[in-house]
Amino acid sequence: QKEVEQDPGPLSVPEGAIVSLNCTYSNSAFQYFMWYRQYSRKGPELLMYTYSSGNKEDGRFTAQVDKSSKYISLFIRDSQPSDSATYLCAMIYTGTASKLTFGTGTRLQVTL
Amino acid sequence: DAGITQSPRHKVTETGTPVTLRCHQTENHRYMYWYRQDPGHGLRLIHYSYGVKDTDKGEVSDGYSVSRSKTEDFLLTLESATSSQTSVYFCAISALGQGGTEAFFGQGTRLTVV
Repeated sequence: QKEVEQDPGPLSVPEGAIVSLNCTYSNSAFQYFMWYRQYSRKGPELLMYTYSSGNKEDGRFTAQVDKSSKYISLFIRDSQPSDSATYLCAMIYTGTASKLTFGTGTRLQVTL
Repeated sequence: DAGITQSPRHKVTETGTPVTLRCHQTENHRYMYWYRQDPGHGLRLIHYSYGVKDTDKGEVSDGYSVSRSKTEDFLLTLESATSSQTSVYFCAISALGQGGTEAFFGQGTRLTVV
């Protein structure tokens, strides 16, 4: 079983829809959670970063962490065609040698 | 943008030849990572480093070695390239333990082994 599970999609939504992207994880030691956006043939770019359970909002994006359920989410409000990309969750625990572990990514297509 | 440079950006090599990819950072971050990205597999960790000369294996380390003799450079070597190592390789850096945790990525290296 992978440490981080993410539905690969693809997920297709109409412009203006609310998008929900999710990851589950098995390692309770993970403390920091990130969401990356990756456009085709580009490197991943950091979108959101959270530490504790709860919500964090940045413009149209909200990151949610539920450590008790080992479940994280990214919500995109008023989705735009420019949001079409692959979204990857990532997580890490602190320690001497900490690995940054990714989900497989969810491909999102926002249609006009 | 975080100061990360990968070189080369593209490379075609023959099976059995050694290949070295370079990741250079100007951020003085402690952690550096090498990932490969393949369709259906996402980003898979090859090796990572948590300091000069401190490295550890990731989930797909077979056939790869790394070296970090300076904070700013992290080299990934394919000792004898195989077609299964055709992939896009990404380097990432993180200031974990230095007041930051987020990881930032380079532009990627597209490697083709023929």
